[in-house]
Amino acid sequence: AQKITQTQPGMFVQEKEAVTLDCTYDTSDPSYGLFWYKQPSSGEMIFLIYQGSYDQQNATEGRYSLNFQKARKSANLVISASQLGDSAMYFCAMRGLSFGNEKLTFGTGTRLTIIP
Amino acid sequence: DAGVTQSPTHLIKTRGQQVTLRCSPKSGHDTVSWYQQALGQGPQFIFQYYEEEERQRGNFPDRFSGHQFPNYSSELNVNALLLGDSALYLCASSQFRDSHFSGNTIYFGEGSWLTVV
Repeated sequence: AQKITQTQPGMFVQEKEAVTLDCTYDTSDPSYGLFWYKQPSSGEMIFLIYQGSYDQQNATEGRYSLNFQKARKSANLVISASQLGDSAMYFCAMRGLSFGNEKLTFGTGTRLTIIP
Repeated sequence: DAGVTQSPTHLIKTRGQQVTLRCSPKSGHDTVSWYQQALGQGPQFIFQYYEEEERQRGNFPDRFSGHQFPNYSSELNVNALLLGDSALYLCASSQFRDSHFSGNTIYFGEGSWLTVV
């Protein structure tokens, strides 16, 4: 079984500041992938960044980086230089890397609000 | 390159009715999964379709059924609707052959908002 925990229901951040969204996970899968998605009020789930459990380096995608600490089972999302358009729900998710397994397990999400 | 497309965007149904939601996967993808997202919660996995067969299923009753067509598009059917079925229904697509590879990205559509009254 897999479990994702996001302990920050909501966060308020000043524009241009960096923000860290917390995510911890639990799984019995030896190999797994961790995802972060952004969900605006429109509902679409927008893929942001991915980290594989055997990847040696932390993933980065533009202003997004994933702080992966395998021993602590954490996969925090860092957004640098936040913008007003970053205001949305953010979900951490994971899946086991086995053939045919496409099931994602999601956390409860963090609502991020960027203040001008 | 078209992403994942879903229809309809919004719909309202009455308790006891049946509903069909549709999804076209991203170009090049052959696997479709469906998720239910209740208000204020994260998405919950319903089931996954590949080669026109249900491959995985989450903890949902048999009232939830699906279908995949030869062109990889998919339908989600919900029978005997309950008030608790009101939710955003998300479709996700991916490529089955890469499912065990690290980095296989799963893309979502904009969802179908279902309200049961």
